[in-house]
Amino acid sequence: ETGVTQSPTHLIKTRGQQVTLRCSSQSGHNTVSWYQQALGQGPQFIFQYYREEENGRGNFPPRFSGLQFPNYSSELNVNALELDDSALYLCASSFVGIGTEAFFGQGTRLTVV
Amino acid sequence: GESVGLHLPTLSVQEGDNSIINCAYSNSASDYFIWYKQESGKGPQFIIDIRSNMDKRQGQRVTVLLNKTVKHLSLQIAATQPGDSAVYFCAEPPGTGFQKLVFGTGTRLLVSP
Repeated sequence: ETGVTQSPTHLIKTRGQQVTLRCSSQSGHNTVSWYQQALGQGPQFIFQYYREEENGRGNFPPRFSGLQFPNYSSELNVNALELDDSALYLCASSFVGIGTEAFFGQGTRLTVV
Repeated sequence: GESVGLHLPTLSVQEGDNSIINCAYSNSASDYFIWYKQESGKGPQFIIDIRSNMDKRQGQRVTVLLNKTVKHLSLQIAATQPGDSAVYFCAEPPGTGFQKLVFGTGTRLLVSP
């Protein structure tokens, strides 16, 4: 167990809807990153939050947005869902610093129909 | 551009054999690499890391080798067990000032009794 928990574990949404995924960081960690993992692929970086601000973003459109709260938990919001958004969404927490180990949660499996 | 890729998508071994999973990278300035194990239905789990000032690093039953000349690293698993069956990723933080990880596609390791 990594101490990083995500909810829900599975979710089915209809195209065009909005979704919010949640992540609780490991105790002592101040940085949260979100990744999208399509079936059979490696995780792709979406964005990272540090001190409640976005601290880097991958190649994802603005309809992917996030929040980090004072307790370092985080949310990933996706608006106007598309079929291609179906994937495993992973949250990783760490303590800021290059090379610091990132601990992943078990992920949220999102299916868009 | 930067990329971290894997040579083989699937590796099948017998229980007790040694396994070798390979990974190539393209950025000669890369100075830190991580191997992750991802079991079905779970998030990636840190296995071992290595910095570019090292050629070899050993953990419990695992060894990572780094060949900077040909920009190649490998993960060796000794006495492979059925519990080692998973997808293995090499990952690299591009060192842009925040903790983004670039993952390869992954190699699926299948261990048969």
